[in-house]
Amino acid sequence: DTAVSQTPKYLVTQMGNDKSIKCEQNLGHDTMYWYKQDSKKFLKIMFSYNNKELIINETVPNRFSPKSPDKAHLNLHINSLELGDSAVYFCASSQDRPGGRMTGNTIYFGEGSWLTVV
Amino acid sequence: TQLLEQSPQFLSIQEGENLTVYCNSSSVFSSLQWYRQEPGEGPVLLVTVVTGGEVKKLKRLTFQFGDARKDSSLHITAAQPGDTGLYLCAGGGGNNRKLIWGLGTSLAVNP
Repeated sequence: DTAVSQTPKYLVTQMGNDKSIKCEQNLGHDTMYWYKQDSKKFLKIMFSYNNKELIINETVPNRFSPKSPDKAHLNLHINSLELGDSAVYFCASSQDRPGGRMTGNTIYFGEGSWLTVV
Repeated sequence: TQLLEQSPQFLSIQEGENLTVYCNSSSVFSSLQWYRQEPGEGPVLLVTVVTGGEVKKLKRLTFQFGDARKDSSLHITAAQPGDTGLYLCAGGGGNNRKLIWGLGTSLAVNP
């Protein structure tokens, strides 16, 4: 069973379109994340939710809107896609919240969603 | 601003060679994690170190946390093609509650 699964794995779309990436984790974790990895492989956190509550919201254009219907799901909707949005988007989860008391909180990543905007 | 610098950024070696990857910061972290990311996959945790001076071994991989908990190293003995991937370090316990990620070291082990 896949621990963190995200769909679609590959997405090619035109500028200006709106798209969503879905994510589900079956680990029973309370915290979920969206990360963006650019062409230089830098992994940058975008959002983090703990029990459906937004706890980290980095400087991300408001065209990006996360939604967590329950603690096992965290979806990412992107409006008016731009060329610069092309990247790999990783969903992830962890047992504890960032900065929580649990030292060395392991982050479990999905396989990534390759988004190409043309 | 907390930063983690990794070096080298790229490394291409022959099978059987040894190598060391470094992760440095001017900030103190309560924990330091190493992840490996293979092509087409998400990062996977290799190890977590939490005590200054701590050394952990995972088969041919040796991880060390600096005494001051500001830096870490990863040493691979007799590298194999299966070790190829992006090695990322991440520091925990930051004052903004986020995990701080390094830029990664891209390792290629040639047969």
